[in-house]
Amino acid sequence: GESVGLHLPTLSVQEGDNSIINCAYSNSASDYFIWYKQESGKGPQFIIDIRSNMDKRQGQRVTVLLNKTVKHLSLQIAATQPGDSAVYFCAESRGTALIFGKGTTLSVSS
Amino acid sequence: DVKVTQSSRYLVKRTGEKVFLECVQDMDHENMFWYRQDPGLGLRLIYFSYDVKMKEKGDIPEGYSVSREKKERFSLILESASTNQTSMYLCASSLWQQGEEKLFFGSGTQLSVL
Repeated sequence: GESVGLHLPTLSVQEGDNSIINCAYSNSASDYFIWYKQESGKGPQFIIDIRSNMDKRQGQRVTVLLNKTVKHLSLQIAATQPGDSAVYFCAESRGTALIFGKGTTLSVSS
Repeated sequence: DVKVTQSSRYLVKRTGEKVFLECVQDMDHENMFWYRQDPGLGLRLIYFSYDVKMKEKGDIPEGYSVSREKKERFSLILESASTNQTSMYLCASSLWQQGEEKLFFGSGTQLSVL
């Protein structure tokens, strides 16, 4: 069936390291993907998005990579900071609504 | 900035009660959504609406209904609350532009059904 999932439920990194959060999707017809960040006590916030006609998109300290061949999406955070500690969700567009993965909790230690 | 406001941050109800969760957005967005968030399950779509008086079922609509009488307000209704509806409920609104949709979320309502 269709699903949007993340490979690991938790990820722990040291401050200053680069973080990579992965996501696998199964609907090959999906053409739009988004990453959200959810801090404790808050609703998810948009980080970055990518359309299926792109392989890579960069933002401020974040990069999203899309590999359509293996239906894999990743979020890279450069020079991870304690403020990056949060739950990260990938989401795919089904045309009518966004479907979210289960989330990866990123913990950044100083 | 877009603001999505959920009326209650925490709510405690008893089994069998009728529960209303209210959500208001101030950016004139056409699309509004209700998700529930549970540990290990991520965000699951309950209902959504693309216009006033329109509603569409999401992935888990059972036990819920919605109301969209005004563009800015989208209500989630639990007709007879049950303990398995204890969860964090997240409302979101969005504007669909050129095939892209960015959702803006409220802070959530943590509902406990006893």
